[in-house]
Amino acid sequence: DQQVKQNSPSLSVQEGRISILNCDYTNSMFDYFLWYKKYPAEGPTFLISISSIKDKNEDGRFTVFLNKSAKHLSLHIVPSQPGDSAVYFCAARGTLFSGNTGKLIFGQGTTLQVKP
Amino acid sequence: EAQVTQNPRYLITVTGKKLTVTCSQNMNHEYMSWYRQDPGLGLRQIYYSMNVEVTDKGDVPEGYKVSRKEKRNFPLILESPSPNQTSLYFCASRGTGYSYEQYFGPGTRLTVT
Repeated sequence: DQQVKQNSPSLSVQEGRISILNCDYTNSMFDYFLWYKKYPAEGPTFLISISSIKDKNEDGRFTVFLNKSAKHLSLHIVPSQPGDSAVYFCAARGTLFSGNTGKLIFGQGTTLQVKP
Repeated sequence: EAQVTQNPRYLITVTGKKLTVTCSQNMNHEYMSWYRQDPGLGLRQIYYSMNVEVTDKGDVPEGYKVSRKEKRNFPLILESPSPNQTSLYFCASRGTGYSYEQYFGPGTRLTVT
């Protein structure tokens, strides 16, 4: 069972526009959510995160929104730049009370292409 | 420079020939783990280690072994590789406690024929 799902394998947007990447999860015991960015031939790098006690976290052009009732999070990139073209993974971490050791559960990834 | 290194970066081998992928980190991190990335499946954890001599299975451990004799190193061993282990492998590490930012290595592309 896929506990973290990214249902859009790819997304294409024009430079300067907004990119919205979506992620759904099923486990209500997740307490922290992260987005990672991956370029070809490189490992994933941390981008932005959000605690389950918040509904929004912003870092420059990147904003993550969390809707706990819908078990949904999204990453907004405004304005999008060609250098943002990469694969984006969302990840979730369970609470310590659930026996989680800090393990991250990743979604399938969404490939973002930003066209000049 | 803080980093996680993996070797080799690319490997083509034949079924049944034992191989080891090395992983090393220079950040003095306690927690290390191995993932594999497959199309449509994202990143799945194979094994993890909370500290030296402490290892445990992740979600897809079958066919893999690990060891953690030193804090900085966490090799992944495939005793008898099979074609279904063809994948992109990542090593990752993070610091103590419940710190959540994992640092990933550059990846090892393994092909088993």
